[in-house]
Order: sequence, then structure tokens, then C-alpha cells
Amino acid sequence: AQSVTQPDIHITVSEGASLELRCNYSYGATPYLFWYVQSPGQGLQLLLKYFSGDTLVQGIKGFEAEFKRSQSSFNLRKPSVHWSDAAEYFCAVGADSGYSTLTFGKGTMLLVSP
Amino acid sequence: GAVVSQHPSRVICKSGTSVKIECRSLDFQATTMFWYRQFPKQSLMLMATSNEGSKATYEQGVEKDKFLINHASLTLSTLTVTSAHPEDSSFYICSARDMGQGTSEQYFGPGTRLTVT
Repeated sequence: AQSVTQPDIHITVSEGASLELRCNYSYGATPYLFWYVQSPGQGLQLLLKYFSGDTLVQGIKGFEAEFKRSQSSFNLRKPSVHWSDAAEYFCAVGADSGYSTLTFGKGTMLLVSP
Repeated sequence: GAVVSQHPSRVICKSGTSVKIECRSLDFQATTMFWYRQFPKQSLMLMATSNEGSKATYEQGVEKDKFLINHASLTLSTLTVTSAHPEDSSFYICSARDMGQGTSEQYFGPGTRLTVT
């Protein structure tokens, strides 16, 4: 069965500092990987996704993520955090069949300090 | 493109009544829609997978008679919470998969906040 681990429940970063949110997955085949962001009381917005090809993927809002198969990781990064980035971030994994469901991590709450 | 809407965004109902939540794919056709439930400060828990024209597939522990799902068209799925109780209060999110894509990518609705009093 596929699973996703986000080891950090909360992370606090100073505005302007760099950010890395960790995500480890468990899946037997080639995974489809996603990062979503959720603001309070809102639905999920897709930040970026990895299906194949270049292992460094660029997303919206200046985010990027790197797929490392050897480490089963898909960490999310941003070089300079803005106060508006404060939100909950979810990593998710899905199979490549097109008919599978997504499995989400438990999320990481990002707090941005002035 | 790939917009999913939900209606209503918030609903308050009395215990014992039923509530219907709609999920629509606005600019694409979705043979498959998903319903999730999210408790405060928790991740999304998949409740059921809804396929157009067939019965929904419920996850283990989800009462199919309580959470009725109908997917009558390629752009609309509904979730009806029957005989709602305060413990059903939660944030319900739907997602839809674009049938034109053979990937796992799902597009999420903005969610519905259900409060049962």
C-alpha cells in the first residue's frame, strides 16, 4: 500500500528565509507526486506535480520540489518565504494507472514570523 | 481551466435532518469524483470514489447508508449526509479527475463546511 510521511507537523520560518518541507513516500512503482497548499477554511490548491522527466519541478508561487528516488523523497522548497505563504501544505502520492486514488500525508503547517 | 465548484460553501443544519452537497466540474468532464472529509488540523480522509453511472465505492469504515453519493452526470456528483448528527460536522471536500488525462491528477473543490447543531 502506498503511504506518505510528512515528518514535520509545524514549521516556523522567518519572512525572507528559505523553506524546505519534507515528504517521504512509499510506493512500489513509479509514483505520481503532488504538493498542495490549503489556506484556512479553503480547499486544496495544487502547487506542483511530478510525473516523470526532470526530477526538479517548478510550481506556482515560486515553489519547487525535487524527486529523489533513492531517498523516496519529494521535498518542497522555496528560496524566500513571504508572509502569505503561511498555510497547511500536503504532499500526496498516486499511482500512474489513472484510476487510483491519492494518498495524502498528514500535512505540515507553515508559520511565517516577521 | 479545470475548475471544480462545491455548493453550498457552508451549511448549518439541525440534528436528524439531511444535507446535500453538490460537486461540479465546470469546464471538463469527470468520470471519477472523490469525496474527502477533513477534521480540524487533520489531513484529508477519502470517504468514497464516485464513478459516473455506477455505485460509489466507499472506504472502510464509511457508512454508505449515511453518506449517500450520486454521480448522475459527467459534471455533477452529490453527497447527502442523512440523519446528520453533531459528529458529522466537518469540512467536506470533493475532487474530480479529468477523463481526458490518464493520470492521478485531481482537481479539488473549495470545500463545504457542515455544522450540525
